[in-house]
Amino acid sequence: DGGITQSPKYLFRKEGQNVTLSCEQNLNHDAMYWYRQDPGQGLRLIYYSQIVNDFQKGDIAEGYSVSREKKESFPLTVTSAQKNPTAFYLCASSYPLVRPSATNEKLFFGSGTQLSVL
Amino acid sequence: AQSVTQLDSQVPVFEEAPVELRCNYSSSVSVYLFWYVQYPNQGLQLLLKYLSGSTLVKGINGFEAEFNKSQTSFHLRKPSVHISDTAEYFCAVKENTGFQKLVFGTGTRLLVSP
Repeated sequence: DGGITQSPKYLFRKEGQNVTLSCEQNLNHDAMYWYRQDPGQGLRLIYYSQIVNDFQKGDIAEGYSVSREKKESFPLTVTSAQKNPTAFYLCASSYPLVRPSATNEKLFFGSGTQLSVL
Repeated sequence: AQSVTQLDSQVPVFEEAPVELRCNYSSSVSVYLFWYVQYPNQGLQLLLKYLSGSTLVKGINGFEAEFNKSQTSFHLRKPSVHISDTAEYFCAVKENTGFQKLVFGTGTRLLVSP
């Protein structure tokens, strides 16, 4: 079955440590996204990538980094510069914009990673 | 830039009662509108979307929403809710010009009790 896989489901970070959240999709989507979810604040966009080897900052990119070396993978690193990393992180993907279909506006989400600070 | 407002953070309702979850948006251009649902500790699933055409949109699980351009609203409704509808509901907006990010509201928690 096609879908988006996020791992791990739960992750703990020590102070000063960098941690990497994995996101893999087998939907053949070009675009991928990382969102952060905090209670009462909805979803905020961290980074997004429209195509391999290219990515752009979202609204809250500070303290995070990403890479897009493969179409299927869009890992997110939470660096030590992110002082308040505790949150639920969601990865998503979508069809490329050039696809002439109404379904290209739909985001497909992974099941999320809960990151907590020790 | 576009924005979304969900005024109700939580909506309690009894089983089999009707419900309306409110969503208002702001944008200077035409938009696409979406409702997503999130069950506990899971990702989001698309309930329904408005891209163009009929302003009344029907989605999964018996939900529907109506796009009202003059009131810049996209309220979600269900005539009779079930316990299993208990979840967080997010309204989202995307400007339909090129590659624009999807902007989410803060969410409304629907609590259905017997």
